[in-house]
Amino acid sequence: AQKVTQAQTEISVVEKEDVTLDCVYETRDTTYYLFWYKQPPSGELVFLIRRNSFDEQNEISGRYSWNFQKSTSSFNFTITASQVVDSAVYFCALGGGYQKVTFGIGTKLQVIP
Amino acid sequence: DVKVTQSSRYLVKRTGEKVFLECVQDMDHENMFWYRQDPGLGLRLIYFSYDVKMKEKGDIPEGYSVSREKKERFSLILESASTNQTSMYLCASSTSGGAETQYFGPGTRLLVL
Repeated sequence: AQKVTQAQTEISVVEKEDVTLDCVYETRDTTYYLFWYKQPPSGELVFLIRRNSFDEQNEISGRYSWNFQKSTSSFNFTITASQVVDSAVYFCALGGGYQKVTFGIGTKLQVIP
Repeated sequence: DVKVTQSSRYLVKRTGEKVFLECVQDMDHENMFWYRQDPGLGLRLIYFSYDVKMKEKGDIPEGYSVSREKKERFSLILESASTNQTSMYLCASSTSGGAETQYFGPGTRLLVL
């Protein structure tokens, strides 16, 4: 069975601070995929990143960066210099070699001006 | 851009009513999914479909059915709505294969009175 744990249910930061959202996963698959989605107050989940289990390179996209560590089964997401527009619920998700994807319960991020 | 649309953003129904939630995608995706999202529980898969007229149960199919008569359209049916089905319903689509990126619609907030 697959499992995704997002231990931080809510985080508040002041604008311009850096923030890291944690994601720990469990799977028995040797090939799997990890995702991050953003859900702003409007409700629609927005895809941010998909990473396969064979690619442990960290990724940076503007103020966003992702740290994938197979040794600790973690796929953490860092926002640098946070902005009010980053306020949202962020979901980490895990998929194996089939269509189904398991989502974490989400981390609500509030960026205070 | 992938476009997934849902027939209603907000819906209010009475207990016992039959409810139809419609989802349409315009990217010729093979897979389509229905989730419900509840606070503290994240996204839970109700049903998914990997082809026209094909469906598979997700984690919480009880009280729901689905229909996929055309590739672009996936309907979720609540045969007899109950108050515990009050929730946010999210539709998603993806290409075929394992754990492909899912693209989400804006969601339908359903209130059952």
